Amino acid sequence: DAKTTQPPSMDCAEGRAANLPCNHSTISGNEYVYWYRQIHSQGPQYIIHGLKNNETNEMASLIITEDRKSSTLILPHATLRDTAVYYCIVRVANTGFQKLVFGTGTRLLVSP
Amino acid sequence: EADIYQTPRYLVIGTGKKITLECSQTMGHDKMYWYQQDPGMELHLIHYSYGVNSTEKGDLSSESTVSRIRTEHFPLTLESARPSHTSQYLCASSHSGGGGYTFGSGTRLTVV
Repeated sequence: DAKTTQPPSMDCAEGRAANLPCNHSTISGNEYVYWYRQIHSQGPQYIIHGLKNNETNEMASLIITEDRKSSTLILPHATLRDTAVYYCIVRVANTGFQKLVFGTGTRLLVSP
Repeated sequence: EADIYQTPRYLVIGTGKKITLECSQTMGHDKMYWYQQDPGMELHLIHYSYGVNSTEKGDLSSESTVSRIRTEHFPLTLESARPSHTSQYLCASSHSGGGGYTFGSGTRLTVV
């Protein structure tokens, strides 16, 4: 699986959009970009994933660049409860074994 | 409601004791995983299972063992607990067809 690079920490004001970047320059054509978050040592929570098209769900939007070498997770209106560590992971989705390798992620702090 | 359950949530136990951490899921997922995470550190995969009667060691060496006799149940056992086993243990499951992992809330183990 390709390696990802994320900033170690970011700050965001409550109510503003949080834009979390991720670099994955060695991504392969069949690898998806997944985002998870972990709130205060709870179990990680799946947020969203995509291959090459932008994706949106009730939690967030995922913007993937045309060359697929980077992506951005967008939380449109961050709340205090969005304070968490956010992990960007790339992997092949439909393999016989789907091992997730977590890096250090980005620690997002949402402040009032 | 389909979910994944881990018990106990917290466990403090003496050195040398045998312990079993329970993990059960009601989603019918065939893949299950155990991750270990020290406070503020990365998650490391220690065990995984493709399905019933399948168990494999993960990326991080662990003295624990697992079993998968039933699809929904993936317990982790430490035959003789030591202080070095103090950590958080997170169980997860996923479906063969792709998509995200679902994590349990974790068991925070302290060996004194």
